Amino acid sequence: GESVGLHLPTLSVQEGDNSIINCAYSNSASDYFIWYKQESGKGPQFIIDIRSNMDKRQGQRVTVLLNKTVKHLSLQIAATQPGDSAVYFCAGASGGSYIPTFGRGTSLIVHP
Amino acid sequence: GAGVSQSPSNKVTEKGKDVELRCDPISGHTALYWYRQSLGQGLEFLIYFQGNSAPDKSGLPSDRFSAERTGGSVSTLTIQRTQQEDSAVYLCASSLAPWGGVRQPQHFGDGTRLSIL
Repeated sequence: GESVGLHLPTLSVQEGDNSIINCAYSNSASDYFIWYKQESGKGPQFIIDIRSNMDKRQGQRVTVLLNKTVKHLSLQIAATQPGDSAVYFCAGASGGSYIPTFGRGTSLIVHP
Repeated sequence: GAGVSQSPSNKVTEKGKDVELRCDPISGHTALYWYRQSLGQGLEFLIYFQGNSAPDKSGLPSDRFSAERTGGSVSTLTIQRTQQEDSAVYLCASSLAPWGGVRQPQHFGDGTRLSIL
């Protein structure tokens, strides 16, 4: 089955720095990945997704990189702001499944 | 437009009681998911509805858990004879139907925080 996990439980950065949150997955058949942001007391909020036919996708201040060779993806946040403080989850799906598997999350703490 | 709405936002009940949690998905979203999130944990899949197809119930942890979706819109998750280990945040998400095999991202509600005394 799919196993999705994150390398670090907590990441602390200074306001204005770039943040990189990493995620590894185990199923080489995984072909769809999503990043979510979850603030305290709220549901996860969709940030960006990427399909396996791509290795990079950019959004507003965010970039997701996918390395299928080592089964790794990362979320890069440019010019991190205090409002970016939250738990970030990666999720992956494979084999045509419409049910993503979620990792445990990385807590991003942005210091002003 | 309106997002996914869940009610109640908080529910405290005694062990052994039954509870019903409600989810109103985004209008036009045919796919609906229920997840459970325990403190500091990731999301545990419970059940998935897609249009008029039979739901995928593979994530339901026991036969005390059930869910239905009426009219392809509102969904209710029911937990019978609640146990303390059922305490968690129950999240609902909806998405557009995939087309041509292209999956769509899920949009989540803010969840129901369930506490079993």
